[in-house]
Amino acid sequence: QQQVKQSPQSLIVQKGGISIINCAYENTAFDYFPWYQQFPGKGPALLIAIRPDVSEKKEGRFTISFNKSAKQFSLHIMDSQPGDSATYFCAADLTGTASKLTFGTGTRLQVTL
Amino acid sequence: SQTIHQWPATLVQPVGSPLSLECTVEGTSNPNLYWYRQAAGRGLQLLFYSVGIGQISSEVPQNLSASRPQDRQFILSSKKLLLSDSGFYLCAWSVRVEKLFFGSGTQLSVL
Repeated sequence: QQQVKQSPQSLIVQKGGISIINCAYENTAFDYFPWYQQFPGKGPALLIAIRPDVSEKKEGRFTISFNKSAKQFSLHIMDSQPGDSATYFCAADLTGTASKLTFGTGTRLQVTL
Repeated sequence: SQTIHQWPATLVQPVGSPLSLECTVEGTSNPNLYWYRQAAGRGLQLLFYSVGIGQISSEVPQNLSASRPQDRQFILSSKKLLLSDSGFYLCAWSVRVEKLFFGSGTQLSVL
């Protein structure tokens, strides 16, 4: 069964700190790894994504680190802000399969003042 | 620009009652459409997806069904709700294979 394992389940970080969320996958055929951000009562929205041909992708304060040999990838939020408080989902996909994303179980991030 | 509409936002239904959730997409044609369910601590579970009118694929066997009567309309139904059907239901669409756009969701409580 295709799975994406995500940790931690919840995370509390002080304002200005670094938030790190980790994911591991099993299917080596996955070739697209997005992160989605979800605020309470809303649907998830694409935050940042990476393909396995690069080891890192950075967009503003958000960085994905990708380790193909370990089948792991992580989201780093630098200078975390209270507005980053949300649930974050990692996911994995096999391009060309009608976007049947396999999601992790989510990490609830709380950034405190 | 493309938009997705999902309603209702909240719904409280008794056990054994029917269900109909509707989702429509504007500003695009021939999208892939999806129904996800989100339960606490269990992430996003894909229930159904559709690549065209009348084409429905089920990912998880259950007492729910989906239909796509029009290109940009996706409906989630049940004849008799169970307590375990409670959850946050999300409709989503995509054109590019990688990017999903989610609706604002329906919080369903079955009592």
